Formats: sequence, C-alpha cells, structure tokens
Amino acid sequence: NAGVTQTPKFRVLKTGQSMTLLCAQDMNHEYMYWYRQDPGMGLRLIHYSVGEGTTAKGEVPDGYNVSRLKKQNFLLGLESAAPSQTSVYFCASSYDYRWSNQPQHFGDGTRLSIL
Amino acid sequence: ELKVEQNPLFLSMQEGKNYTIYCNYSTTSDRLYWYRQDPGKSLESLFVLLSNGAVKQEGRLMASLDTKARLSTLHITAAVHDLSATYFCAVDIGWNNNDMRFGAGTRLTVKP
Repeated sequence: NAGVTQTPKFRVLKTGQSMTLLCAQDMNHEYMYWYRQDPGMGLRLIHYSVGEGTTAKGEVPDGYNVSRLKKQNFLLGLESAAPSQTSVYFCASSYDYRWSNQPQHFGDGTRLSIL
Repeated sequence: ELKVEQNPLFLSMQEGKNYTIYCNYSTTSDRLYWYRQDPGKSLESLFVLLSNGAVKQEGRLMASLDTKARLSTLHITAAVHDLSATYFCAVDIGWNNNDMRFGAGTRLTVKP
C-alpha cells in the first residue's frame, strides 16, 4: 500500500545545476500536484496536472517545469537551481474533486538544499 | 489578494485543557480541509468540510465551517501530548481543479 512515493528524499545541489524530482502514485488518481513548503509558511502550489499529458501553473511556478507522461507519474524539474529554491517539496494526488469528496494524499517530501 | 490566515501560529497548552484554532479566508469557498503534520513528516488529512454549517469530530478534535463568515475552527478538547503537531487549514479555490491555498499553520505543543 505505497500511496504517493517521492524520490529522492534528500538532495543537495549547487547553484545552476539541474535535477528532476519524481512522484509516483498507485491509487489511480487523476490529479497530481507539486507543492513547496518553506519555514513558517504553509504549502504553496507550484504546478498541477488534471490528467495524463496535461499540466498547469499553480501559485509559484517560476523556475520549475513539470511533465506527466504517465497517469501514475508526475515529474518536477529544476533547470537551473537557485538558492531560493531550497525547500521541502511535497507531491500530492487526488481523484477528480467534482466526483469525490476525498482529500489530497501527500508523499513524504523531498528535502532539497541549493548551495 | 487571497488570504488564508490561521491563528494562533504558536500554541502551547497544558494537557487536559481546551482550545480553538481559527482559520479565516478571504475568498468564496465551500470546501475546506484540515491537515496535521508531525515534524519532518508528511501531511495527514484530518477533516474535509464541504458545506456551510458542517461539523466533524474525530476523537478530541472537532472542526466546523461557516462559509458566510469565511471561518473554520478546529477545537481541541482535553488535550493530550500526542496531539502535539502543526495543524494546517487549506481552502479550495479551484473551479476546475482541486486548487488549495494553505494557511501558515499552527504549531501546537501540549505539555504534561
């Protein structure tokens, strides 16, 4: 019963490096989301997807790109990492909210440090 | 500008006491969520409130929603140490997706 799995769990990058965070869910959810959590703040939505092959911008999309080639996977990319992107990143998934009253399910997070 | 404001942001209470956490939001929404987060852990869903006047209870926690006042409360009854965590409210503002805006969180510490 994996739920939402994020890899890696920790990563340290140098400014300017690129990397991809992977999110996988096994609940057949249509919707997937990427959030960032900074100290003293709630989660902020970066990008989301309402289905395979679709993506859309959230509240704080700049500096990130996403792809959803398969329904179960949602990738978050940083093309040129900046210290301001040091954060804890959470992936979440959910059913289409129009047909379900279930909340979003969250992964365990990826702690990312940019030096 | 959309705001989701929680108060207090920090709460230290004695075991056995009662207290209420407030979540105010500035936009129309009839869908509000409460989550719990333990240090270094993920978010755990506590309550989903879907309509005006909704009230849900689980153990020592009770959540309510007043959409007219744009206010949700999370009431803690007879607190125990295991309730120590950070509690977030999140308001769904999306019309074609589950677009949630989170409050800053209330860090609750329950002391023996």
